[in-house]
Amino acid sequence: AQSVTQLGSHVSVSEGALVLLRCNYSSSVPPYLFWYVQYPNQGLQLLLKYTSAATLVKGINGFEAEFKKSETSFHLTKPSAHMSDAAEYFCAVSRSGGGADGLTFGKGTHLIIQP
Amino acid sequence: DSGVTQTPKHLITATGQRVTLRCSPRSGDLSVYWYQQSLDQGLQFLIQYYNGEERAKGNILERFSAQQFPDLHSELNLSSLELGDSALYFCASSVEGAGRETQYFGPGTRLLVL
Repeated sequence: AQSVTQLGSHVSVSEGALVLLRCNYSSSVPPYLFWYVQYPNQGLQLLLKYTSAATLVKGINGFEAEFKKSETSFHLTKPSAHMSDAAEYFCAVSRSGGGADGLTFGKGTHLIIQP
Repeated sequence: DSGVTQTPKHLITATGQRVTLRCSPRSGDLSVYWYQQSLDQGLQFLIQYYNGEERAKGNILERFSAQQFPDLHSELNLSSLELGDSALYFCASSVEGAGRETQYFGPGTRLLVL
């Protein structure tokens, strides 16, 4: 079984400040990890993913995440927040090995950017 | 634009009714996934198809069923609808359905059951 916990249903930062969205996972096998973003009234868009290559993963729009096996974490960061980053962010996990399941998502974190 | 299309965008129906949601995957993708997004349950995986065959099942109710056709489009059938089935239903696609692949999401179908 696998699960994802996102700490903080809402995170508020000032424009230009560091963005840190937390994600911890639980998986019985080596995981693949994903961060998706959802803008209002839209589908989900992939920001970045970890698939057992480099532990520091760079994504679109200046976001990056670091896979830390010892902490079972995959936190998302961005050095300087923009107003356009305001959205819902989802961390997700899928199984490695044969026979993929669907993604297991966290409950999401709503990112608010203060001007 | 992810390349995944879903119809209709919105659907309003009554309890007890049956509806069909349609999804066309990205060109070249063989695997289709269905997800439900609701305020109560969040984003939940329902079912996955690969090249016409069911590959994995998630939290899909017995009242719900899906299929993938030879042209690779997929349909999600929801029957005996209840108020609690009101949600946003997403379709996603990937090339081969492996766990490491990126899933590309459609814009969703918003279902309202009255």
